Amino acid sequence: AQSVTQPDIHITVSEGASLELRCNYSYGATPYLFWYVQSPGQGLQLLLKYFSGDTLVQGIKGFEAEFKRSQSSFNLRKPSVHWSDAAEYFCAVGGGSNYKLTFGKGTLLTVNP
Amino acid sequence: DVKVTQSSRYLVKRTGEKVFLECVQDMDHENMFWYRQDPGLGLRLIYFSYDVKMKEKGDIPEGYSVSREKKERFSLILESASTNQTSMYLCAIGQQGFAGGYTFGSGTRLTVV
Repeated sequence: AQSVTQPDIHITVSEGASLELRCNYSYGATPYLFWYVQSPGQGLQLLLKYFSGDTLVQGIKGFEAEFKRSQSSFNLRKPSVHWSDAAEYFCAVGGGSNYKLTFGKGTLLTVNP
Repeated sequence: DVKVTQSSRYLVKRTGEKVFLECVQDMDHENMFWYRQDPGLGLRLIYFSYDVKMKEKGDIPEGYSVSREKKERFSLILESASTNQTSMYLCAIGQQGFAGGYTFGSGTRLTVV
C-alpha cells in the first residue's frame, strides 16, 4: 500500500529565511509525487510534480523539490520565504492504473515578519 | 483549464438525514475522486470513479456511497448522516492520468448536528 509521511506538523520561519518541508513516501514501484498548497479558506493548488527524469523539479511560486529514491524522500524547498507563503502544504504519492493519490497529513507553515 | 464545481460551499444537516454532495466538471475527464479533509488527518480518499457507472472504494468508504450516471457529474451520498461525518469534502478530477495532476473543487464544509 502507498503512504506518505510528513514529519513536521507545524513549521515557523521568518520572512526571507529558507524553507525545507519534508516528505517521505512508501510505494512499491516508481512513484508519481506531488506537492500541493492550501492557503487559508482556499482550495488545493498544485505546486509541482515529479514523474521521471531530472530529480530536481521546479514549481510555481519559486518552489522546488528533490526526489531521492535512496531515501524515499521528496522534500520541498524555497530559498527565501514570503509572508504570502503561509499555508498548509501537502505531499502526495500515486502510481498504477487507477490514478489514486495518497496524501500526507500536511505541514502548516507560519511566516513571521 | 478545467473547472470543478461543488454545488454547496457550506451545508448543515441533521443526524439521520440523507445528504447529497454534487461535483461537476466542465470537461471530459474520466477520473473523479471524493476526499474528506480533517485537521491533523490530511486528505483521505472516500471513493473514486474512472468512468460512468464505474466506482471503487477508497480508504474510508464506510457510511458513504457514490453515483456517476454522467461523465461530468460525480455525487457523494451520505445515506444517514452522523456527527462524525462533519468535515470538509473535496472533489477532484485527474487530468491525463497523473500527468496533469489533480484539480480540486473549492470544497463543501458539511456540519451534521
